[in-house]
Amino acid sequence: DSGVTQTPKHLITATGQRVTLRCSPRSGDLSVYWYQQSLDQGLQFLIHYYNGEERAKGNILERFSAQQFPDLHSELNLSSLELGDSALYFCASSAPSGQGIGEQFFGPGTRLTVL
Amino acid sequence: AQSVTQLDSQVPVFEEAPVELRCNYSSSVSVYLFWYVQYPNQGLQLLLKYLSGSTLVESINGFEAEFNKSQTSFHLRKPSVHISDTAEYFCAVSDSDSSYKLIFGSGTRLLVRP
Repeated sequence: DSGVTQTPKHLITATGQRVTLRCSPRSGDLSVYWYQQSLDQGLQFLIHYYNGEERAKGNILERFSAQQFPDLHSELNLSSLELGDSALYFCASSAPSGQGIGEQFFGPGTRLTVL
Repeated sequence: AQSVTQLDSQVPVFEEAPVELRCNYSSSVSVYLFWYVQYPNQGLQLLLKYLSGSTLVESINGFEAEFNKSQTSFHLRKPSVHISDTAEYFCAVSDSDSSYKLIFGSGTRLLVRP
């Protein structure tokens, strides 16, 4: 158990709909990262938040948005869903080490299926 | 931009045989390198990491990887694999920007046969 929780575990929805994925980081971790894992694109970085502020954006579609709340949990919002959005969405949390970079601990993921 | 190449999509090997999973990364001034393992229907677990110092890093379950700057490689090795090592292995790189986001390779499926 990494200490990172994600809900829901599975999500099945229809095209055009909107969903919210939730992530709770490990206690004390200020950074939350979101990644998408799909068969055709592999594992791709989406977005990074640190203590409530957006730090970096990757290949995240404009239909997708995220935020990190004062209690440090994060939500990834996916709207106008398309079939191609079906994927496994991971969040990871980390705390900086003495060298700056910290190990990222991954949650179990949310499997999104768009029908 | 950083990139990672894992040339082998699948590596079949017999139990107790040695294995090497290859990983090459695009060059940068300073990089941090990682190997993650993903068991079926599970999340990613860190196997080992190179941040600085000794170029040979080891994990607690017998895997090791060697950082080779001249060849921009970070190959993963194990001298004797077990059935339980069957999983997907991902090499990842992070650079020293303010984010430390991970850039992953396409993954190598290690299939250990009895």
